[in-house]
Amino acid sequence: AQSVTQPDIHITVSEGASLELRCNYSYGATPYLFWYVQSPGQGLQLLLKYFSGDTLVQGIKGFEAEFKRSQSSFNLRKPSVHWSDAAEYFCAVGDSSEDYKLSFGAGTTVTVRA
Amino acid sequence: DGGITQSPKYLFRKEGQNVTLSCEQNLNHDAMYWYRQDPGQGLRLIYYSQIVNDFQKGDIAEGYSVSREKKESFPLTVTSAQKNPTAFYLCASSRRQIWDEQYFGPGTRLTVT
Repeated sequence: AQSVTQPDIHITVSEGASLELRCNYSYGATPYLFWYVQSPGQGLQLLLKYFSGDTLVQGIKGFEAEFKRSQSSFNLRKPSVHWSDAAEYFCAVGDSSEDYKLSFGAGTTVTVRA
Repeated sequence: DGGITQSPKYLFRKEGQNVTLSCEQNLNHDAMYWYRQDPGQGLRLIYYSQIVNDFQKGDIAEGYSVSREKKESFPLTVTSAQKNPTAFYLCASSRRQIWDEQYFGPGTRLTVT
């Protein structure tokens, strides 16, 4: 079965600074990878996804992520953070042999300071 | 406007009572999911359904039950057998393809005292 690790529970970043959120997965075959964002008390919104092709994926809100097979990683980045990016971010991996289920990481909470 | 609705947003119950959480989608998606979210634990899958009249247990199904009588609806019942039911519950739906995203509802926060 697949699993996802997000090593950072909480990150604080200054507005305008860059942001990188780490995600490592454990999966035997080519994974289907997703990043979601959740504002407090809300549902999740998809930022971007990867399943094949170019390993650098562009998403919404100025986010991008890079798939590195050799490192089993799918890190999320944003060059310049806005106060509205304060939220919780979840990495997820899908397994084509597991009925379209997703496994989610524990999440990283991002705080943006002025 | 297509999407997923969950009601109510906040729900309070006394211990020992069963409670049903509503989830409706108008995205014409075949698959629907229920997750439980607790602080620091991410999302854990309770039940999922790929087609009408069929559903499977997820990772933490004990103390929960579901039905899928209509494509649009996937209600979750939290029974009195669930030992720690207070949590944030999220419903999601997707097409039945692994690379398609899951669309999430706004969630229901259940508090049992």
